[in-house]
Amino acid sequence: DAMVIQNPRYQVTQFGKPVTLSCSQTLNHNVMYWYQQKSSQAPKLLFHYYDKDFNNEADTPDNFQSRRPNTSFCFLDIRSPGLGDAAMYLCATTRGGGGSGNTIYFGEGSWLTVV
Amino acid sequence: AQSVTQPDIHITVSEGASLELRCNYSYGATPYLFWYVQSPGQGLQLLLKYFSGDTLVQGIKGFEAEFKRSQSSFNLRKPSVHWSDAAEYFCAVGAAGGSGGSNYKLTFGKGTLLTVNP
Repeated sequence: DAMVIQNPRYQVTQFGKPVTLSCSQTLNHNVMYWYQQKSSQAPKLLFHYYDKDFNNEADTPDNFQSRRPNTSFCFLDIRSPGLGDAAMYLCATTRGGGGSGNTIYFGEGSWLTVV
Repeated sequence: AQSVTQPDIHITVSEGASLELRCNYSYGATPYLFWYVQSPGQGLQLLLKYFSGDTLVQGIKGFEAEFKRSQSSFNLRKPSVHWSDAAEYFCAVGAAGGSGGSNYKLTFGKGTLLTVNP
């Protein structure tokens, strides 16, 4: 059974129209990540949560925001999507702490198309 | 800052042949190292990981990787490739995460696309 679930798998949005991608996990992991992967490129970390502590990457545009209302759910909000934001967005989770040699588990990804 | 280099963008092998995918990393401390595989349109699946101990790591689907500190390398190998191994392979290094604890965050290489000929 899938442990990191992303919805929707495919999303088409209009240029400038806000969009939200969701991620849920059944692993009770305290760390959740959002990665952006453009076509034929490596996944790039946007930000992550350690419990409720939000950690933004220095080069993540302000257009990208995130919310984590509880342990199980995390949302990626794109306030004004541009054509350059078309990508696959990957959610991932891990258990942090305790010397932490723990695996990071990825979801199947959400494909975003901007028209 | 940490970085990962995968020198080969695309590799083609024949089914049944051996495979080696190269990975070099740059990180100031002892690294956490990973290999992930990604099929088209799918998420990332962990093949294997190295945190400490034995430098030869066994993974799923018959893959193994060897950590060589002196060469800053973590090459992935498989003795006999199957057609179902065709996919994109990403090497990643784990660096210390943000505030709050000892989690880590992954920096990926650009990936190597593997094609398997029948």
